[in-house]
Amino acid sequence: AQTVTQSQPEMSVQEAETVTLSCTYDTSESDYYLFWYKQPPSRQMILVIRQEAYKQQNATENRFSVNFQKAAKSFSLKISDSQLGDAAMYFCAYRRRYGGSQGNLIFGKGTKLSVKP
Amino acid sequence: DADVTQTPRNRITKTGKRIMLECSQTKGHDRMYWYRQDPGLGLRLIYYSFDVKDINKGEISDGYSVSRQAQAKFSLSLESAIPNQTALYFCATRGFQETQYFGPGTRLLVL
Repeated sequence: AQTVTQSQPEMSVQEAETVTLSCTYDTSESDYYLFWYKQPPSRQMILVIRQEAYKQQNATENRFSVNFQKAAKSFSLKISDSQLGDAAMYFCAYRRRYGGSQGNLIFGKGTKLSVKP
Repeated sequence: DADVTQTPRNRITKTGKRIMLECSQTKGHDRMYWYRQDPGLGLRLIYYSFDVKDINKGEISDGYSVSRQAQAKFSLSLESAIPNQTALYFCATRGFQETQYFGPGTRLLVL
């Protein structure tokens, strides 16, 4: 069974600095999707970034980028120029590409990010 | 207007009561999901539906049931609520490239 591990329950960063959140996963599949979701205090789950495993290029979305290391099964999120509004829980998630009834989204337990002014 | 809506946003109920959480979407997606979030455990899948006639159990379906009334509506029921069902519940749809879009969540407290 696939698993997703976020080893940092909490992280802290100074405003305007850069922070990296870690995520590792375990799968025997070769084709899959990886996601980072953000959950601010409003509790809404917001998609931050998506990576397709068959693409070697790391995904980027403005200040958010990932370091996807397929062989190491690692998918870290880098937040540059951190802002107060980045403070939230961040969840890493995995889904096999061709899942049918077996391919559901699997979440890590989350990392709580605090941003200091 | 939000693409995925959930009602109610907050609910307090008593042990043994039957309650229903409702989800509606305007995204036109066939696939819909119900998740439960507990502190320190992330999100866990309760039920999912690929269309009106295709409903499947997820990781933690015991104590829950669902109804897919239409493509746009997917309801979650707790037949006899118990305190350990106190949690934050999310509905989601699935769209392009497996991306899931979440509703705002329903916070449920069972006394």
